[in-house]
Amino acid sequence: NAGVMQNPRHLVRRRGQEARLRCSPMKGHSHVYWYRQLPEEGLKFMVYLQKENIIDESGMPKERFSAEFPKEGPSILRIQQVVRGDSAAYFCASSPPSDRVAYGYTFGSGTRLTVV
Amino acid sequence: AQSVTQLGSHVSVSEGALVLLRCNYSSSVPPYLFWYVQYPNQGLQLLLKYTSAATLVKGINGFEAEFKKSETSFHLTKPSAHMSDAAEYFCAVSDPGGQNFVFGPGTRLSVLP
Repeated sequence: NAGVMQNPRHLVRRRGQEARLRCSPMKGHSHVYWYRQLPEEGLKFMVYLQKENIIDESGMPKERFSAEFPKEGPSILRIQQVVRGDSAAYFCASSPPSDRVAYGYTFGSGTRLTVV
Repeated sequence: AQSVTQLGSHVSVSEGALVLLRCNYSSSVPPYLFWYVQYPNQGLQLLLKYTSAATLVKGINGFEAEFKKSETSFHLTKPSAHMSDAAEYFCAVSDPGGQNFVFGPGTRLSVLP
């Protein structure tokens, strides 16, 4: 049973380009969460999605960032017109639909975005 | 709303010594509490969790944590540190409904030979 799969592991983008980060949840998990970890900081919640539905995006920057979790395929975190400050590790977590918090989230290995 | 503080951003212990990583939380409702470990360049792995059952929780790799409501604490301990325990440790809190899942800033554990 594969865990949460994130790709790419490392992504380098020039300022102004777009970054697309992908997350495939664990089998049977229908809830996906994205977190950002800035250097020397903890994890900050960004967005919580279910299939075809954004449940909570209170942690998403208002501009340039968007997320989706389509009916088929992985969840995508999209950052348009990246800036140096977007350089961070982006982690995806997933959980099953029932008793999701008690279960505890399962995290992927992250995508490390570097903006040059 | 929930919040978490972790005293000490960096803790160093000698191999074989006691590990104590501190976590204090703030919550307006009975909390669920978690400890995660992050090894270099990897994702977070769940060490243990408290979800309103036994207050002393045992996790993987010999770690345990005790929920103390009166102290609003959930400190992580291990009797004898091993070199492989060197990592970043994150405490997290959530309400039972799953809203407001919040991580602390993390504590980096170094284990000295």
